Amino acid sequence: KAGVTQTPRYLIKTRGQQVTLSCSPISGHRSVSWYQQTPGQGLQFLFEYFSETQRNKGNFPGRFSGRQFSNSRSEMNVSTLELGDSALYLCASSGTGLAGYTFGSGTRLTVV
Amino acid sequence: GIQVEQSPPDLILQEGANSTLRCNFSDSVNNLQWFHQNPWGQLINLFYIPSGTKQNGRLSATTVATERYSLLYISSSQTTDSGVYFCAVEPGGDYKLSFGAGTTVTVRA
Repeated sequence: KAGVTQTPRYLIKTRGQQVTLSCSPISGHRSVSWYQQTPGQGLQFLFEYFSETQRNKGNFPGRFSGRQFSNSRSEMNVSTLELGDSALYLCASSGTGLAGYTFGSGTRLTVV
Repeated sequence: GIQVEQSPPDLILQEGANSTLRCNFSDSVNNLQWFHQNPWGQLINLFYIPSGTKQNGRLSATTVATERYSLLYISSSQTTDSGVYFCAVEPGGDYKLSFGAGTTVTVRA
């Protein structure tokens, strides 16, 4: 079956703009979570959604937001981009079985 | 929050050598996974192993939950094993993974 799909793969934005990233989970998975990876901070948790409800949120400013739709697809939005937001953004989905999380290929965001 | 420590930070191996990567965590967990990050950035799930031992080809992993550590074994290493290996844990009810800093493995031909 298809894996976790993230779009776009690469993105270049200008400081001050906003950006929206998309994640489609594995079919049947209702939990979607987002992570930011930077060389300095490593992999950090952003937020997690289950059945359109945010169940957990990481320690990021309010410029970072997300949502989940009824078909379990999720989007995250970053407003007023800063140079430090340049990172690899990874999405993961999980189901009810004991299999853990499966990650997508990521979106590499560069803010110039 | 939970602390995850991986060692060693870097590992250089000759092709064919065996190695052990370690992950220590500071609290009880419901989930522990080992990932390999490929050159394009994707995290490839190697093992879901909150306890016990599993094997998949040349890779195997053991988690001793009562002592809060996990080990990843790479046997007969190949150049394609190069990359960063991450351990990630999830305490019960957390709905998130906490990652270690990773071990960068370089396998030389």
